[in-house]
Amino acid sequence: AQKITQTQPGMFVQEKEAVTLDCTYDTSDPSYGLFWYKQPSSGEMIFLIYQGSYDQQNATEGRYSLNFQKARKSANLVISASQLGDSAMYFCAMREGRSGGSNYKLTFGKGTLLTVNP
Amino acid sequence: KAGVTQTPRYLIKTRGQQVTLSCSPISGHRSVSWYQQTPGQGLQFLFEYFSETQRNKGNFPGRFSGRQFSNSRSEMNVSTLELGDSALYLCASSSLGGNTEAFFGQGTRLTVV
Repeated sequence: AQKITQTQPGMFVQEKEAVTLDCTYDTSDPSYGLFWYKQPSSGEMIFLIYQGSYDQQNATEGRYSLNFQKARKSANLVISASQLGDSAMYFCAMREGRSGGSNYKLTFGKGTLLTVNP
Repeated sequence: KAGVTQTPRYLIKTRGQQVTLSCSPISGHRSVSWYQQTPGQGLQFLFEYFSETQRNKGNFPGRFSGRQFSNSRSEMNVSTLELGDSALYLCASSSLGGNTEAFFGQGTRLTVV
């Protein structure tokens, strides 16, 4: 079974509107972290936001927020007020195990290609 | 501070050759991990090094190897290149503790012909 599922291969949004990118995950480890990365056409992976499994509140970073629903095992990324520069691939990723432990391995979803229209 | 630096950015190699890719992590980061990205398989974990020791390895053949030096710089090597090894190879560095996001380099795009 896939550990990270992103069901939207592509999404379109109008500039200045909000968009939600879906991510569901599968793990039996009670301790895990969820990440969102942005990959422009240049190839570099840019860290956007992080949510720990024990965090009580949803993470926010500027225009990015993470809608964390632990019981449903979902970690959707919400981008508010979309900008043309937000057009890129977006990847959801998970790290299982305690932060700082002996396992730094990220498992990525297949990604969602977001296109922001003017 | 400087980010993760990967060299070279682009490489073209012939089947059967070997290649070495280099990654310099962010200063102070001791964990370096490598990922292969292809259109068909997406992003796949290759291996992770911490303090010169390989801690974790993905499901790749033995042709893929790596090492880490005392200054945390890492290299990965692919021997006997195959056409299917054509990919973007990404290196990530991280520190330990707390919100330990991984910071990625711009990648090395390898083309095997």
